[in-house]
Parts: sequence; C-alpha cells; structure tokens
Amino acid sequence: EAQVTQNPRYLITVTGKKLTVTCSQNMNHEYMSWYRQDPGLGLRQIYYSMNVEATDKGDVPEGYKVSRKEKRNFPLILESPSPNQTSLYFCASSYGGGIDEQFFGPGTRLTVL
Amino acid sequence: QKEVEQDPGPLSVPEGAIVSLNCTYSNSAFQYFMWYRQYSRKGPELLMYTYSSGNKEDGRFTAQVDKSSKYISLFIRDSQPSDSATYLCAMVYNNAGNMLTFGGGTRLMVKP
Repeated sequence: EAQVTQNPRYLITVTGKKLTVTCSQNMNHEYMSWYRQDPGLGLRQIYYSMNVEATDKGDVPEGYKVSRKEKRNFPLILESPSPNQTSLYFCASSYGGGIDEQFFGPGTRLTVL
Repeated sequence: QKEVEQDPGPLSVPEGAIVSLNCTYSNSAFQYFMWYRQYSRKGPELLMYTYSSGNKEDGRFTAQVDKSSKYISLFIRDSQPSDSATYLCAMVYNNAGNMLTFGGGTRLMVKP
C-alpha cells in the first residue's frame, strides 16, 4: 500500500529535550516536506526537500532541522523543543514538487511542557 | 495580513444543499491553486487542482478561480454527510514552485 508513515503519532516531552519525528514514504517520491498545523493558522510549511541532500526552508523553519540522506526518509529534528512548538505535525511527499498532489502522513501530535 | 485568507467556519448546511467555500489571496504571483479535504484526525488529501482562471468540474465538485479578484471558490453540489470535513485551499507560485501556502481551512458540517 502506497503511504507516508510518521512516528511517533503522539509525543509529550519537556522543554529542551531533543526529539526526532520520523517520516518515510514508499512511493519513490522526489519531494518531501514538513508542516505544522495550528488552530486558526492552518498548515504552515517548515522545510521541504526536492531530493536527497537537498533541503530548503519553508515559512516557519526556526527551531527545526531536517535531513534527507535517503530518498524515502525525511526526519524532523527539534534539538531544543519549546512550548511554542506544541502542534500537530504532518509529513507529506509528492512526485515532483509543490504543484503535484501531496500525500500526507497521519500526523504527529506533539506537546512540549 | 496572511497571504491566504479563509473563513474558518464552522459552516453547517442540510444534506443536499449547495456549499460554497472561498479563499482570497493577496499575492498575484500565485498561479496554481488546489483544494484539500481533511477529515478529523487525518492528513489532508487532494480534492481539486487548477491553474487557470475559470471553472473546473469533477463530479459534485467545481473549483473556480478568479485571478483578477484574487479569489478562488469550491462549490459542492448535493452535499452529503460524508462531505463533513475541513477544506483547505493551497497555492503555489509557479510550476517550479516548491513551497505551498495553505489557507487556514473551513470546517464544513453537513447534517442529515
């Protein structure tokens, strides 16, 4: 089954404790991206990647890091999480870029205390 | 001011009604327009896609773009309870664009 998987689905952590949210797709997509979704603000793009070893900032990259060492994986790293990063996070992938259909993962609900 | 504005709703309609969902945007550089549907506790999924002014129809759904007014709409005919979801508009600057800008989403409830 073609899909984007994210882990963990739910995470409660404390300020300053480094964490990684994994994202993996099995569709051989070139493009992957991360979003956060907050009430009233909608989906905002954090980072995106056009290909292996190619990443770019989205609208809200501060406090986040990403890497794309393999085509299928695109982890999101919060090196020192803060409460304002409490949010619902989505990973997405597409064949060629932003104009192509984005396939979203199921989301990761992160709470930073 | 956000680049893309969307009324958050909720919009509550009876089954069978025609629904109109709208987005306005401020940046005339947006050229590609999409509508995504998001069910509760799920990721968004693509519903409609268009890049030109005018109408595009797909079953009960019609997407309309008016670039001169910077206004896009999604119409749902014969709405069903299964259409109850949040609808997000999304925009891209050009065919090489890699950044998507989403509206905040409109929550729709279709009552049987």
